[in-house]
Amino acid sequence: DGGITQSPKYLFRKEGQNVTLSCEQNLNHDAMYWYRQDPGQGLRLIYYSQIVNDFQKGDIAEGYSVSREKKESFPLTVTSAQKNPTAFYLCASSIPGVTYEQYFGPGTRLTVT
Amino acid sequence: QQQVKQSPQSLIVQKGGISIINCAYENTAFDYFPWYQQFPGKGPALLIAIRPDVSEKKEGRFTISFNKSAKQFSLHIMDSQPGDSATYFCAARKTGNTGKLIFGQGTTLQVKP
Repeated sequence: DGGITQSPKYLFRKEGQNVTLSCEQNLNHDAMYWYRQDPGQGLRLIYYSQIVNDFQKGDIAEGYSVSREKKESFPLTVTSAQKNPTAFYLCASSIPGVTYEQYFGPGTRLTVT
Repeated sequence: QQQVKQSPQSLIVQKGGISIINCAYENTAFDYFPWYQQFPGKGPALLIAIRPDVSEKKEGRFTISFNKSAKQFSLHIMDSQPGDSATYFCAARKTGNTGKLIFGQGTTLQVKP
């Protein structure tokens, strides 16, 4: 049963704390992505990785960090430097090819107070 | 810089009616245009996609119309059903190997029984 797993579903943190969001896929996809979703703004790309041990900043990378040590895993750390971290975070993966169709995980809703 | 603009922000349609969502893009360096459907609390799922060398693509009740000269594309949902109530995102893929998608702001569709 292949897919993308994000955990936890809901996450609560105090301001000033770093927090790491998990993303695991067993689809054997090379590329993985992290998006942030806010009401009325669509999905905005935070970081993406096309291959293990390599990743690039997306449009809103400030205050976030990632690692890609394994093909299956692409964790996202929301640091205390992120000014407005409360959001719905989505992880996606894709296969190389003509369409680059992206498959999304169920998301993690992070609330920072 | 918003390169994909989506309208309307919200849409209410009666059951059996036609739902139409429009997107316009500003950059010609896009080569793939997918539409995603997202239910509350879930990750988006690919609904239908089109390449710019095709003017229309139909899958069941869902049709994409693409106008390359006007840099516009739209999603038509025929015979709309209450189960179609969701948020819809258009997107455009940048030409190249990154697979990066630029998303529109989203349209929340409500189909009334």
